[in-house]
Amino acid sequence: DIQMTQSPSTLSASVGDRVTITCRASQSISSWLAWYQQKPGKAPKLLIYKASSLESGVPSRFSGSGSGTEFTLTISSLQPDDFATYYCQQYNSYWTFGGGTKVEIK
Amino acid sequence: QVQLVESGGGVVQPGGSLRLSCAASGFTFSSYGMHWVRQAPGKGLEWVAFIRYDGSNKYYADSVKGRFTISRDNSKNTLYLQMNSLRAEDTAVYYCAKDGVGYCIYWGQGTLVTVSS
Repeated sequence: DIQMTQSPSTLSASVGDRVTITCRASQSISSWLAWYQQKPGKAPKLLIYKASSLESGVPSRFSGSGSGTEFTLTISSLQPDDFATYYCQQYNSYWTFGGGTKVEIK
Repeated sequence: QVQLVESGGGVVQPGGSLRLSCAASGFTFSSYGMHWVRQAPGKGLEWVAFIRYDGSNKYYADSVKGRFTISRDNSKNTLYLQMNSLRAEDTAVYYCAKDGVGYCIYWGQGTLVTVSS
């Protein structure tokens, strides 16, 4: 089974900050990685698929990069609406989510 | 627009059964694979099961294999999850999601399943 490890688990940041979240796979998953945003009491929302493809309607301040085993989600300038929990998910072999990264207000 | 509406959640005793439904609209349901994903209270997301667009292949997480069954009725635009031998650790919000070639492109709002005596 492929394990996905996200870091950090919690991140404190201010509006306007550049934020980077890392996701590591226990084996190579090529570029078969997605990123989701989830707010309390709401369903997750797709942000990025195939490691770096931006889902339609998602602001361009979100970007994804990486391949193989190491991936990053970057928010170029954090906005008030971006305080949420972020999850990565591999879909190279079955499906596995990372443990999540909570982005909170500093 | 795409809509996914889950139903069937509730409180059930350990060892009991429950069937969840997910009513789909706004897209050609019979052309897409579908997922079930769950989230225990205060915890992260856990993928549960996937079914191909025509029901020909089904995949399960090890944690539910042999106890849960995913199915679909394309004539009713509905996805199902039959859950048997339920355990306390199955307590979670269960989401259905439309597949976008591996990733979950649209999600329902979820239905809460509580396993408790």
